[in-house]
Amino acid sequence: EAGVTQFPSHSVIEKGQTVTLRCDPISGHDNLYWYRRVMGKEIKFLLHFVKESKQDESGMPNNRFLAERTGGTYSTLKVQPAELEDSGVYFCASSPRMGSTDTQYFGPGTRLTVL
Amino acid sequence: GESVGLHLPTLSVQEGDNSIINCAYSNSASDYFIWYKQESGKGPQFIIDIRSNMDKRQGQRVTVLLNKTVKHLSLQIAATQPGDSAVYFCAENKVDKLIFGTGTRLQVFP
Repeated sequence: EAGVTQFPSHSVIEKGQTVTLRCDPISGHDNLYWYRRVMGKEIKFLLHFVKESKQDESGMPNNRFLAERTGGTYSTLKVQPAELEDSGVYFCASSPRMGSTDTQYFGPGTRLTVL
Repeated sequence: GESVGLHLPTLSVQEGDNSIINCAYSNSASDYFIWYKQESGKGPQFIIDIRSNMDKRQGQRVTVLLNKTVKHLSLQIAATQPGDSAVYFCAENKVDKLIFGTGTRLQVFP
């Protein structure tokens, strides 16, 4: 069974540019989560999809971040325009059943560097 | 607010010794915890979990202890190996999110 995949693995952009990160969860998983880790700090929750619906987006930093999960399959996280403080590693995770505390399986992350 | 934290940013152990990584939490209602291991260039990987109705759980070479009285949990790794070198996170598992601690980097030297 394929795990969670993320693309790209690295992205280097200039301040003010736009970047789109993609996550493909494990097939059949209802829950999809985005997290990020900045500057060696703790991994912080960004948002949670149940299928195609946003269940909780309380961790999204501001309106420069837009996440979508069309069709309830893969998800994208767009940052527009990117700022220096957006640099970090963005992780995606998925888990099987909605409304449960099933184990979350993480992808390898996308390392974003904003110059 | 709720928080989950770790005591030490770095822990260095000799190969073959046992490792103990600690974690504290603030919310007495927290009832489900997970330990994750993150190796360089990879995402967090599930190691072991424990619910509040237990105070100890064992896996292969790993043991998690939960002390609800002092709101503390620990991860014990027996006979630490070079492949155990990684950053270890404790996390509270809630239905809609994980709340992570700051992480402890485990360094294993020969």
